[in-house]
Amino acid sequence: SQQGEEDPQALSIQEGENATMNCSYKTSINNLQWYRQNSGRGLVHLILIRSNEREKHSGRLRVTLDTSKKSSSLLITASRAADTASYFCATGHTGFQKLVFGTGTRLLVSP
Amino acid sequence: EAGVAQSPRYKIIEKRQSVAFWCNPISGHATLYWYQQILGQGPKLLIQFQNNGVVDDSQLPKDRFSAERLKGVDSTLKIQPAKLEDSAVYLCASSPLRGGASGNEQFFGPGTRLTVL
Repeated sequence: SQQGEEDPQALSIQEGENATMNCSYKTSINNLQWYRQNSGRGLVHLILIRSNEREKHSGRLRVTLDTSKKSSSLLITASRAADTASYFCATGHTGFQKLVFGTGTRLLVSP
Repeated sequence: EAGVAQSPRYKIIEKRQSVAFWCNPISGHATLYWYQQILGQGPKLLIQFQNNGVVDDSQLPKDRFSAERLKGVDSTLKIQPAKLEDSAVYLCASSPLRGGASGNEQFFGPGTRLTVL
């Protein structure tokens, strides 16, 4: 499969806790993006980090990228019930014109 | 700004029947993508258009799937004949420039959920 791998596959936490999801990929990338998908809906872009960047923040989101380990992590701080969704990483590969999506992490945030 | 529109939202057909999905991207977006998302998996790119030309269709099962983008705007994806394994959500996305490698985000429609019986 050309998809990256994400772990954990599922994560269950309480409101106010932090949630960390990891993404690993196999070949060199140009950029890495994170998307959220609520049940039964399309994907929404959250954040993009380029291969020459190591960390990026957007509101309660923090993304890190380690190109030497071919991995990225998404941290959601002070989670809310509304953060319940599936989260996907997607890699843009040098020479490719498409995104390759991972298998996703299902996050459940309980009130 | 209106988002990516798709129709129908749901479709149930029997195997060997034909089905077509429609997508209207965000106005002015040059790049359009069709993805297949099987339950429990991430989206898989089927075909990518740049204006009305095909950029990538390497994962499109061309014996049964076809797609076109008329005048570089709307697009249709057709399956003929459908198989049980085609049951999935079909997502359309658009991007103002070449997405992915160029680092542009993609904007997704709500998807069409196809069930093949």
